[in-house]
Amino acid sequence: GAGVSQSPSNKVTEKGKDVELRCDPISGHTALYWYRQSLGQGLEFLIYFQGNSAPDKSGLPSDRFSAERTGGSVSTLTIQRTQQEDSAVYLCASSPWTGTNDGYTFGSGTRLTVV
Amino acid sequence: GNSVTQMEGPVTLSEEAFLTINCTYTATGYPSLFWYVQYPGEGLQLLLKATKADDKGSNKGFEATYRKETTSFHLEKGSVQVSDSAVYFCALPYGGSQGNLIFGKGTKLSVKP
Repeated sequence: GAGVSQSPSNKVTEKGKDVELRCDPISGHTALYWYRQSLGQGLEFLIYFQGNSAPDKSGLPSDRFSAERTGGSVSTLTIQRTQQEDSAVYLCASSPWTGTNDGYTFGSGTRLTVV
Repeated sequence: GNSVTQMEGPVTLSEEAFLTINCTYTATGYPSLFWYVQYPGEGLQLLLKATKADDKGSNKGFEATYRKETTSFHLEKGSVQVSDSAVYFCALPYGGSQGNLIFGKGTKLSVKP
C-alpha cells in the first residue's frame, strides 16, 4: 500500500482479555518494527522482523506478548491476558530493509486502553 | 548498544523565536542520525537525517549537524511557526546485530502566536 496501515486505530478491552493488533507495511518493505509509546514516555522498542524472521525478541515486555509476520507482509502483535499497564499507543513502522539510511515510515498507531 | 539522550521538554516559544533541541548520543562508529516529528494525533514522520560525520540534514527550515567531536545532533530552526508545534524525537540505530532504531524520549514543542 501507499503507507503503513494499522488496525484497529483504537481498542478498548477488559483486563484479562486477549487483543490482536495488525500492521500492514508498505509493499516491498522487508523490515517491519513494533514500538510502544506510553503517555509521557518515549518509544519503547518491542520487536522487528526481517522478512518473516524476528532475530531478537528480547524487547517484548513479557511472555504475554508475541508477534508474527507471514508472507513477508502483514504482522500481528498479540497481547494475552491484558493488564492495565499495557495501555499505550502501539506503533508499527516499515523500511526497505534493516540498516537502511532512509529511515522508517510509521503508521498512525493503535491506541490500546485496558479497563 | 548505542544510546541517545535528548533534551527534556516541554518547550514553549513565541512565533518567530529561535529553536534548539539538544540531542547527544553514544555510539560505536558513525551511524546515521535522524530527527522524527510527531504532530498531534499522528504517527512519527522522518524530519531530517545525516548519514556521516559533519553532514547537515535539513528540511522545512529545520537543520541539524552531525558533530562527532561533541557526539551531538542538535535540532535548530531560526524562526518557528505555530504549525511546528509537535513532539520531536532524536534517533539512531541500536547497533550490533539489531536492526532497529532507538529513540530519545521526545521533546514537546508548543509555539504560541
